[in-house]
Amino acid sequence: AAGVIQSPRHLIKEKRETATLKCYPIPRHDTVYWYQQGPGQDPQFLISFYEKMQSDKGSIPDRFSAQQFSDYHSELNMSSLELGDSALYFCASSLEVLPRTNEQFFGPGTRLTVL
Amino acid sequence: AQSVTQPDIHITVSEGASLELRCNYSYGATPYLFWYVQSPGQGLQLLLKYFSGDTLVQGIKGFEAEFKRSQSSFNLRKPSVHWSDAAEYFCAVGAGGGGNKLTFGTGTQLKVEL
Repeated sequence: AAGVIQSPRHLIKEKRETATLKCYPIPRHDTVYWYQQGPGQDPQFLISFYEKMQSDKGSIPDRFSAQQFSDYHSELNMSSLELGDSALYFCASSLEVLPRTNEQFFGPGTRLTVL
Repeated sequence: AQSVTQPDIHITVSEGASLELRCNYSYGATPYLFWYVQSPGQGLQLLLKYFSGDTLVQGIKGFEAEFKRSQSSFNLRKPSVHWSDAAEYFCAVGAGGGGNKLTFGTGTQLKVEL
């Protein structure tokens, strides 16, 4: 079965640079979530999209932005990168159906290292 | 606001021994509860989930969990641990419905001694 695809898997950037992370949800899934997992930390919710509209927002810095496109893939744009942005970034997808279960399927993550 | 507490940061068990990982949640309504496992540098794999119905749920790899509303708990169990079970385990709670985030506990690192 198709899973969530994230690219790139690894990314190395310098401070103050920009980065774009991509997420391709499971086919026919209409909701995408982004999570950030710092070293030794639990995943923290950043932002989510349902049917191409932002549906929820967590602790996402103003330097970050995201969107969901017409084909349901999503991109997380990160600017003015800081050392503290080094983390594993997960994308998850789900299908909004009734009964609602909020079962999210996670991608393998993008490991971002900021030097 | 929803929250999850995993009281045990590290647990060490011998291979073949039984395992119980604790999870307590805080949520105002009926929660949607999940256990995920993460191997080093890897993604999150869903072990099992509880939405409603039978409070004892079976998952993959021989894991099970029991939802106890009175104790706000969703503990993960396995009768006999294998060395390959060594990983980090996250309990998570979701509010249900599209656009609702998962809130994770801080995780329990499981070490299996041979």
